[in-house]
Amino acid sequence: EVQLVESGGGLVQPGGSLRLSCAASGFTFSYYWMSWVRQAPGKGLEWVANIKQDGSEKYYVDSVKGRFTISRDNAKNSLYLQMNSLRAEDTAVYYCARVNWGIVDYWGQGTLVTVAS
Amino acid sequence: AIRITQSPSSLSASTGDRVTITCRASQGISSHLAWYQQKPGKAPNLLIYAASTLQSGVPSRFSGSGSGTDFTLTISCLQSEDFATYYCQQYYTYPWTFGQGTKVEIK
Repeated sequence: EVQLVESGGGLVQPGGSLRLSCAASGFTFSYYWMSWVRQAPGKGLEWVANIKQDGSEKYYVDSVKGRFTISRDNAKNSLYLQMNSLRAEDTAVYYCARVNWGIVDYWGQGTLVTVAS
Repeated sequence: AIRITQSPSSLSASTGDRVTITCRASQGISSHLAWYQQKPGKAPNLLIYAASTLQSGVPSRFSGSGSGTDFTLTISCLQSEDFATYYCQQYYTYPWTFGQGTKVEIK
């Protein structure tokens, strides 16, 4: 059974940093692209970033470029999102997701990031 | 970025109704479109990919059609468990973009 479990969310002040983690199990992690998608409270879904199987390619939505970094450790079956210079508009539930031939087919349960003073 | 315009933003329907949701892309995306269902407090669930391919385990009352810029999700006979919010998403090019969502409510 595919499982994706996010952690690392919480309350952070504007300008602060946070690192999200996602532990993957139930599939061969190193075979898949991975993704982060977020959802602000009461709002729709927004794709944040993707990373290739070996980490050699990364893509970001413009609003996080230069502030967020997606990475992975295939030996630990883990995906990460380093978030710096956080803003109030980054407040959201962040979902870790598996990408299968370009399609997001499995999602974690999400972790809430709140940026507020 | 490709804009995805999803309509309606909400609808009220009864169990047994046929429901149709549409998404229009601001430029052609071939068939690189997926549909997701999301229930309150839960992660989205993949229903359809490649515009019309049903994800394994998804009931056959769900169907998708379209290509290029215009796409449709149809629920042929609405069940109680189908009351949720539905999103379309293009994966043709980065940045991936989602429609604004359609909330299907009980009439």
